[in-house]
Amino acid sequence: EPEVTQTPSHQVTQMGQEVILRCVPISNHLYFYWYRQILGQKVEFLVSFYNNEISEKSEIFDDQFSVERPDGSNFTLKIRSTKLEDSAMYFCASSTLAGPGELFFGEGSRLTVL
Amino acid sequence: SQQGEEDPQALSIQEGENATMNCSYKTSINNLQWYRQNSGRGLVHLILIRSNEREKHSGRLRVTLDTSKKSSSLLITASRAADTASYFCATDAAGANSKLTFGKGITLSVRP
Repeated sequence: EPEVTQTPSHQVTQMGQEVILRCVPISNHLYFYWYRQILGQKVEFLVSFYNNEISEKSEIFDDQFSVERPDGSNFTLKIRSTKLEDSAMYFCASSTLAGPGELFFGEGSRLTVL
Repeated sequence: SQQGEEDPQALSIQEGENATMNCSYKTSINNLQWYRQNSGRGLVHLILIRSNEREKHSGRLRVTLDTSKKSSSLLITASRAADTASYFCATDAAGANSKLTFGKGITLSVRP
């Protein structure tokens, strides 16, 4: 069964360092998302992406964050200068439909900022 | 204000019993979804109910939606130990482009 894959599963980084989280969405999906979940808290929307541009972004998604679809398969989230509060599980998701119908989530990338 | 708040926050039941989880939200929605998350894993979509639907079934799952009360319930019948997980409701606000807003989740423990 097709699935969303994310790498790395866990990354530890020093504060101020750049981090790139990678996702391979399901191949025929057109809409891509990043969410994050700080330990023990709710899942928060970061950004949605369609047709090579951002559709919507949250207040969390400030200038330190960027997304890119560098080729036909990967979808990346970059954090330019990580802060301690960026420590969280980051989930990539994809869907076939505009506006969220069912989202297919990856297993997540756990980011730990020291 | 928070969209999508579930209650109870934690629920512990015996295998074979039914589990009922509730979700309330504040704004008008296009649809409401329920997701499951096993510990340390990704979210798995369970069921979607549209704003013009009142009830939906999928296997052992039954979801209701009351738009007048801005609330939804998820019923899992004949629970199994494998149903132990966190359950989240997520809403797609009417007029919103593309984002789902998740609640804080309910931790369900099913004792064998």
